[in-house]
Amino acid sequence: GAGVSQSPSNKVTEKGKDVELRCDPISGHTALYWYRQSLGQGLEFLIYFQGNSAPDKSGLPSDRFSAERTGGSVSTLTIQRTQQEDSAVYLCASSLWGSNQPQHFGDGTRLSIL
Amino acid sequence: GESVGLHLPTLSVQEGDNSIINCAYSNSASDYFIWYKQESGKGPQFIIDIRSNMDKRQGQRVTVLLNKTVKHLSLQIAATQPGDSAVYFCAEVGYSGGGADGLTFGKGTHLIIQP
Repeated sequence: GAGVSQSPSNKVTEKGKDVELRCDPISGHTALYWYRQSLGQGLEFLIYFQGNSAPDKSGLPSDRFSAERTGGSVSTLTIQRTQQEDSAVYLCASSLWGSNQPQHFGDGTRLSIL
Repeated sequence: GESVGLHLPTLSVQEGDNSIINCAYSNSASDYFIWYKQESGKGPQFIIDIRSNMDKRQGQRVTVLLNKTVKHLSLQIAATQPGDSAVYFCAEVGYSGGGADGLTFGKGTHLIIQP
């Protein structure tokens, strides 16, 4: 498929463990975005990349969250020492760079912290 | 911070009728808006977008209206079908440095199509 691909689709882990979430954007999309969606809520913006750089990291909830993107393509979101409040669906989107380019989303990773 | 919000959390419509989902935004500098549809267990799906230099845009069975005077956005779905049942989000795009920042989403409206 040509859409945004995220893995794993589901992740259950124990509190205190580290988790790594992966996003493979649409080919040719230089902009990549991470969002978090808690149960029954809207989407919360976390971070975006233009190429491999992330100009603004202020949306990350805490210093336990980090993200990187290498080669201008795949991105990983890492959560260290997970807490129960980290349980949510983590969504990735990508777009062409520039004004007025719609973001296209993957189906997310459903993260459950026990 | 400024936000995008929705007036109604749930909207129930008879199959075949038209539906209107409303959205208010507070950032008068916003210049690009997107409507997304999200089905259970799926990511948001792009429906239609509109730039601030327009007040109306039409797609297949959908129309988005933008009223910048009152900072209001609406999504009209014509001849609703069971497959239209989903949560609909409006989103505002913020910009910095000439590129796109993250979207600011409202909490969503759950559209229910009744047979």
